[in-house]
Amino acid sequence: KNEVEQSPQNLTAQEGEFITINCSYSVGISALHWLQQHPGGGIVSLFMLSSGKKKHGRLIATINIQEKHSSLHITASHPRDSAVYICAVTVGGNEKLTFGTGTRLTIIP
Amino acid sequence: EAQVTQNPRYLITVTGKKLTVTCSQNMNHEYMSWYRQDPGLGLRQIYYSMNVEVTDKGDVPEGYKVSRKEKRNFPLILESPSPNQTSLYFCASSLNWAGELFFGEGSRLTVL
Repeated sequence: KNEVEQSPQNLTAQEGEFITINCSYSVGISALHWLQQHPGGGIVSLFMLSSGKKKHGRLIATINIQEKHSSLHITASHPRDSAVYICAVTVGGNEKLTFGTGTRLTIIP
Repeated sequence: EAQVTQNPRYLITVTGKKLTVTCSQNMNHEYMSWYRQDPGLGLRQIYYSMNVEVTDKGDVPEGYKVSRKEKRNFPLILESPSPNQTSLYFCASSLNWAGELFFGEGSRLTVL
């Protein structure tokens, strides 16, 4: 079993819909990252969380340390949000980074 | 402009021919790391470095070497590449080991 599980693996939605992508992990962590990768493109860091909630534009990330769960929300989704979203964790006391396999999001106009 | 630069971006080589993928950052970051991305397996960490002369293995270090002689550079060395090292490689840096990550544009390597 992977230490980091993401759901769903694939998500297709209409423009304007509210999107939620989930990340669950099985180990104690010191930080959780949400990354975005456009088709054929590089990887961009969206958020780095160790507790609570962060907001940047239409994107919101939350983390619940006790439940070992994080969510990435996109409000008023747009076709340019189509990308793979990747959750990654830095395991507590360890400098290694472990990744989920990603969620492929497609927003249809 | 703050950036992480990788070279080459694309490379086709043959089995056994040593190659180096360079990575350089201009943000004075302490932490640098290398990842490979493969279909169905996602991103996996190869090596990381907490600071100059400090490196450590990630989850898939076999067949790779790294060095960190200067803070800004973290080259990935494939001494004797094999076809199973055909992959998309990313370098990243951050201020420290738990900080926001900045990724290079990726290097697509094919080993024939």
